[in-house]
Amino acid sequence: AQSVTQLGSHVSVSEGALVLLRCNYSSSVPPYLFWYVQYPNQGLQLLLKYTSAATLVKGINGFEAEFKKSETSFHLTKPSAHMSDAAEYFCAGSDGWGNEKLTFGTGTRLTIIP
Amino acid sequence: NAGVTQTPKFQVLKTGQSMTLQCAQDMNHNSMYWYRQDPGMGLRLIYYSASEGTTDKGEVPNGYNVSRLNKREFSLRLESAAPSQTSVYFCASSEAASGRAVPRNEQFFGPGTRLTVL
Repeated sequence: AQSVTQLGSHVSVSEGALVLLRCNYSSSVPPYLFWYVQYPNQGLQLLLKYTSAATLVKGINGFEAEFKKSETSFHLTKPSAHMSDAAEYFCAGSDGWGNEKLTFGTGTRLTIIP
Repeated sequence: NAGVTQTPKFQVLKTGQSMTLQCAQDMNHNSMYWYRQDPGMGLRLIYYSASEGTTDKGEVPNGYNVSRLNKREFSLRLESAAPSQTSVYFCASSEAASGRAVPRNEQFFGPGTRLTVL
């Protein structure tokens, strides 16, 4: 079964600095991986998804993530943080093929320092 | 399209009271899900419905029941609310169905219901 680990429950970066949010997965089969963002008092919104078509995935709002099988990682990055990026970010995964259930990480709260 | 809608947005219950959380989607999705979100624990799956007429337990089903009323609607019922059920509840839907040649697991989320049990 799929499991997802997010390293760091809180991350703070300065405005304009690199954003790096870490996600590792464990799966016995090729996974489907997702990053979601949650703004305060809102539901979750899909940022990007990996479905084996390409290892570097570009998402909305300038975010991207790279699937690295050798490291079982799917870290989320953005070259230059903006104040509007302050939110909670969740990594999620599934085993794919006939298994629609997602397993979520515990989330990382991103704070942007002016 | 409204996407996934949930009612109510907020609810306060006393211990032992019952209530039903409603969820509807207008994207013609096969699968629907109920999650609870608690600080530091991410989202945990309560129940899901892979298709109309089927429901299955998730990670934390105790104290809850669900009904997949039709393809659009999936309700979550608390028969006797407890303080441990204080949480934010999210409904989600996805197009995927078992056996599809191309799995599409992306889930679309509703705005959530904030429930407090006193």
